[in-house]
Amino acid sequence: KNEVEQSPQNLTAQEGEFITINCSYSVGISALHWLQQHPGGGIVSLFMLSSGKKKHGRLIATINIQEKHSSLHITASHPRDSAVYICAVRSGATNKLIFGTGTLLAVQP
Amino acid sequence: NAGVMQNPRHLVRRRGQEARLRCSPMKGHSHVYWYRQLPEEGLKFMVYLQKENIIDESGMPKERFSAEFPKEGPSILRIQQVVRGDSAAYFCASSPSTSRNTEAFFGQGTRLTVV
Repeated sequence: KNEVEQSPQNLTAQEGEFITINCSYSVGISALHWLQQHPGGGIVSLFMLSSGKKKHGRLIATINIQEKHSSLHITASHPRDSAVYICAVRSGATNKLIFGTGTLLAVQP
Repeated sequence: NAGVMQNPRHLVRRRGQEARLRCSPMKGHSHVYWYRQLPEEGLKFMVYLQKENIIDESGMPKERFSAEFPKEGPSILRIQQVVRGDSAAYFCASSPSTSRNTEAFFGQGTRLTVV
């Protein structure tokens, strides 16, 4: 079993829909990151969370430390949101990142 | 303030050749992490370095792979005698410290293709 699990693996949505991507982890963490990667592209950090909730534009990220669970929400989705969204946790003495397998999101116009 | 710089962006090597991947961390950052993304797989930790020291290489294959981060210059990930299975995207991330509140700054990656 992976230490970081994401769901769903693939998600297709219509423009304007509200989207939720979930992440569960089984290790102790110092922080959780949500990352975005476009096909063939680099990796961009969207959020870093250690507790509570953060909002940036149409994106909202929440974390429940007790339940070891985080969610990424996209409101009013747009085709330009189409990308792979990756959950990663910082763990261990060296704070290396452990990644989920990613969620491939396609937002159709 | 330039971000994390990786070069080359794309690298093609024949089987048996050597591949050298470079990573210049953000200004003021002295910690470098290398991650590998195999085709159709998630990212995996390879190695963590501070200036002149390898701190954690638990994710590095035991043979053919090495990494360094000299006092001057970029961090180098070196793959000797490449094989087709080494084809992947290699990402570097840097941080100023290992504090729990460190953001994740990634380079654009080097896409290695072994032919």
